[in-house]
Formats: sequence, structure tokens, C-alpha cells
Amino acid sequence: GAVVSQHPSWVICKSGTSVKIECRSLDFQATTMFWYRQFPKQSLMLMATSNEGSKATYEQGVEKDKFLINHASLTLSTLTVTSAHPEDSSFYICSAHPGAGNTIYFGEGSWLTVV
Amino acid sequence: GENVEQHPSTLSVQEGDSAVIKCTYSDSASNYFPWYKQELGKGPQLIIDIRSNVGEKKDQRIAVTLNKTAKHFSLHITETQPEDSAVYFCAAPAASGYALNFGKGTSLLVTP
Repeated sequence: GAVVSQHPSWVICKSGTSVKIECRSLDFQATTMFWYRQFPKQSLMLMATSNEGSKATYEQGVEKDKFLINHASLTLSTLTVTSAHPEDSSFYICSAHPGAGNTIYFGEGSWLTVV
Repeated sequence: GENVEQHPSTLSVQEGDSAVIKCTYSDSASNYFPWYKQELGKGPQLIIDIRSNVGEKKDQRIAVTLNKTAKHFSLHITETQPEDSAVYFCAAPAASGYALNFGKGTSLLVTP
């Protein structure tokens, strides 16, 4: 099946710094990518939808200036957590849609710990 | 957007028994219902999905049934094995595009 790769798989950063997470579709072109956040023992919460070459659409309650999303190519989307705080510590998961059909493919997730 | 309710939140079965997880959705226009398996510390993995033009789909020990009238769909796992232990999520299309809204998850434990 289609493969979506995230990097890094885990990262620790200091409060106040920024951290970037990459999401790549390895064997298909993703016209749309999605970013989710998952706290321990909770469900996945959609943060934003990004379409290649256009601005991301953020879900209600998600700060677009804090969670910067860039989808510069059909195989790469990035999520930058700016001025990170400990409450931003979470599991961030991206997913990608190949542009046809309904199937969404998920990455392996990135653990972010802000200390 | 779509409101997805999932039950039960935890399920414990003995190896070899069947497990059933049920989800309900609110938007009658929804037409695609996937199920994901998430192991600890990993991303969700699609295990089966169903579209609204069919009532049942099977893939070896896994099946999904859909009742459009009642707006619910269920995951059935037969002959469960310890490696089936994981958190299972149902999902349905969000209000726009291809994004998915997820249920709260079911933690399945299969004991030997």
C-alpha cells in the first residue's frame, strides 16, 4: 500500500523554541494532506487540512500562527510548532490523500515533548 | 462536521472469540466509513473500509457492516488472536473534503 513517512519520529525541544515536522508521501502524489494531534489515550483530532500550493484550512480552535503548515509540493507537507510550550507536547500525525478515491494513508506519527 | 460515536471504549475477549465494535454517525450524506488499528506509539493503519453502496465487506477475519437507515457501522473480528490487541478507531468524512472525523477509539485486549 501507499506509504506516508514522518520525520522526526520523536523530538524534544525547549519551551519557546520552534520545531518542524515533515510529512512525505513516498510512492504517490498527495493533493491533500491532513495534520492531526493525539493526546495520550485520546482520539485523533484534526488540526488542519493543507492543499498543495495553497494556504491550509485550520479547524476551529487551532491557532494558525502557532501551527504553521506548508504544503510546497505534492509529496511534502511540514508542520512547524512555533514558540512551543509544554502543553503542546503531543503525538502529531499526518495523513495524505492521493487525489482519487476515499482512502487516506497515515504516517507513523511524531512524538513532541516540550521541556 | 460529522459526529462519530464509538462503543465500547474497552473490550476484552479470549483468544478465538469474536469482537464487535460499533459506531454511529450523524450525517446521512456520509458515504465512506474506514476502520483503523493503532498500536501503541504508532500511527493508525487502515484495516478495512466500506462505502455506502454496500452493506457488508469482508477481508479474512475482519468484516464491516453498514446500516445506512440506522446510521451505524460495525467492525467484526473473528477468531481473535493476541496480536489483534490494539486501539481501533472508526471514522467518517468530516464536513469538507476528504478529512476524517474519528470515534474515541476502542481498546481491544485479546487474552491467550
